[in-house]
Amino acid sequence: KAGVTQTPRYLIKTRGQQVTLSCSPISGHRSVSWYQQTPGQGLQFLFEYFSETQRNKGNFPGRFSGRQFSNSRSEMNVSTLELGDSALYLCASSPGTSGISSYEQYFGPGTRLTVT
Amino acid sequence: AQSVTQPDIHITVSEGASLELRCNYSYGATPYLFWYVQSPGQGLQLLLKYFSGDTLVQGIKGFEAEFKRSQSSFNLRKPSVHWSDAAEYFCAVGGYNTNAGKSTFGDGTTLTVKP
Repeated sequence: KAGVTQTPRYLIKTRGQQVTLSCSPISGHRSVSWYQQTPGQGLQFLFEYFSETQRNKGNFPGRFSGRQFSNSRSEMNVSTLELGDSALYLCASSPGTSGISSYEQYFGPGTRLTVT
Repeated sequence: AQSVTQPDIHITVSEGASLELRCNYSYGATPYLFWYVQSPGQGLQLLLKYFSGDTLVQGIKGFEAEFKRSQSSFNLRKPSVHWSDAAEYFCAVGGYNTNAGKSTFGDGTTLTVKP
């Protein structure tokens, strides 16, 4: 099976702009989670989608939003970009709906966002 | 709330030497435990997982981990390290936590391998 794919891999934006990142999970995986990774804060959970519904949300401002489509592909959007939004954004999908398989996660390569 | 501590921020070992990366967790029930590896500029890759059964679990790339309930630990080991093992390693404990999603990740341990 193909792994989790994320597009674009690299992005440079200007403060105040908005950005949309895309994630395609492994075929058959219905859960998609998004994380922000920075050197100072480590891995921080943004949100999780399952069957087009946001099931879980981390402590990020409303500028960060996401959605999931019927084919399980997911997008996240960041509006009014700030310098501090520069980070590696990781998407992960999970194979199961119960037990340990619902917690193991398969990550994409990430999108490196630089805000100038 | 669940939490994960990786006491070592950075570890350096010589190629061919054995490796042990420490992980301590706090969780109110039987945890789902994971180790992930991240190479520079890449996403995380699942190395191994544990929920129940044999407390010594085998993973990919020759890694293994041992679950010790009495010590709340899930340490990662490898008998002989290769230069390609240089990466950052994350321990994670699974279980829904509103602020952390499916799993809570440790801060990571960076492994440097000396030739």
